Parts: sequence; structure tokens; C-alpha cells
Amino acid sequence: KNQVEQSPQSLIILEGKNCTLQCNYTVSPFSNLRWYKQDTGRGPVSLTIMTFSENTKSNGRYTATLDADTKQSSLHITASQLSDSASYICVVSNNAGNMLTFGGGTRLMVKP
Amino acid sequence: EAGVVQSPRYKIIEKKQPVAFWCNPISGHNTLYWYRQNLGQGPELLIRYENEEAVDDSQLPKDRFSAERLKGVDSTLKIQPAELGDSAVYLCASSLEGRSMETQYFGPGTRLLVL
Repeated sequence: KNQVEQSPQSLIILEGKNCTLQCNYTVSPFSNLRWYKQDTGRGPVSLTIMTFSENTKSNGRYTATLDADTKQSSLHITASQLSDSASYICVVSNNAGNMLTFGGGTRLMVKP
Repeated sequence: EAGVVQSPRYKIIEKKQPVAFWCNPISGHNTLYWYRQNLGQGPELLIRYENEEAVDDSQLPKDRFSAERLKGVDSTLKIQPAELGDSAVYLCASSLEGRSMETQYFGPGTRLLVL
């Protein structure tokens, strides 16, 4: 069964600090992995996308990594800001592209 | 350019009542998705349309849920009758052709509370 597990479920950090969110998946065959940011009361917004051959992708202060061998991904947030408070969802797509498996998300709270 | 539009944003109903959600995707996007998101969880696909054809509705509880996309643009998702367990956020998303590498753009969702 295709699954995406994220950890931690929730995280509280101080403004300015860095943090790393984890994603493990068992989706096969693998096509790509995305990280989405979902602000409270809003729909998810795509941050990064990585294919099998990519092992790192940056978007501003967000850096995603992918290890296709161990089927793990991480999202590193540098110099956190209050506006980073949101849920971060890991989404893995299969080769056909018609099946997305969503993780449960990590709820991040950045405190001043 | 307008994003995915959904209405209403919030809906409170009593159990056994019907409810409908509306979605207008990004202009030119052929593929439309309806998801359900329970509190603290990731979205779960209910149905996917390519133009007006429902190409994946395997997760749609067909005894009470129905959806349509008559002209291949706007879509409506209906629940009749609603149950307490249907309380969730219903998200609509769209993409150009539904291919793996395309970004899905999500609407703000409709938050449903069934009392």
C-alpha cells in the first residue's frame, strides 16, 4: 500500500531558528515528490518538486532533499519567520501521475 | 489571474440535510480534483475529472456523494444526506492536463460542519 509518513506531527520553534521536517514514503513506482505549504484556512501551495534524479531543490529559505534509495525526503527551513507558521505536506506521485499520496503534514508554529 | 475559486467558504448543516459545494478552476485547466481533508490530516482524493469525464472516482462514497462537471469547467460536489463524519474541509484543485509533473493549484476549501 502506498504510504507517506511525516514527522514530527507538530513543531514549535523560535523566530530566526532553523528546522527540518521529515518525510518517508513507500510509493511505487515513484515519479516525483512535492512539498506543499498550507496556511490555516487556505489550500496547499507547492513549494518544491523533485524527481528521482534530483537530490536537492531550493526555494528561497526552503531547501528540500530527496534520497530515492532510502525513500526519504526532508524540508529544511532556514532563519524561520512568523509567516512560516503553517502545515507542511509531503506529496508523492506515482509514475502514471494519476495517483498522489499525501502525508498527514507537520504543523509548524514559529514564535517570536 | 484568479486562482481556484470555491464557495461557500463555510457551511454548517444538520445531519441528514443535503449540501453542495461549487468550484471554478483556473482558466484553461482541463483537470479538476475534489479532495476531502480531515482535521490534522493530508487531503484524500475523492474524484478527478479530465474535462467533463470522471476518470477516477474510486474513493467517492457513491451512496451519498455525487459530483458533476457538465461543461468541463465548473464543478459541483454534493452530499445527500450528510452524516456527522462528513465534517471536513473539501478542497478543489486544478491542473493543466493532469500529468505527474504538473502543479496542482488548490482553492481555499469549503469547511463543512455537520451537527
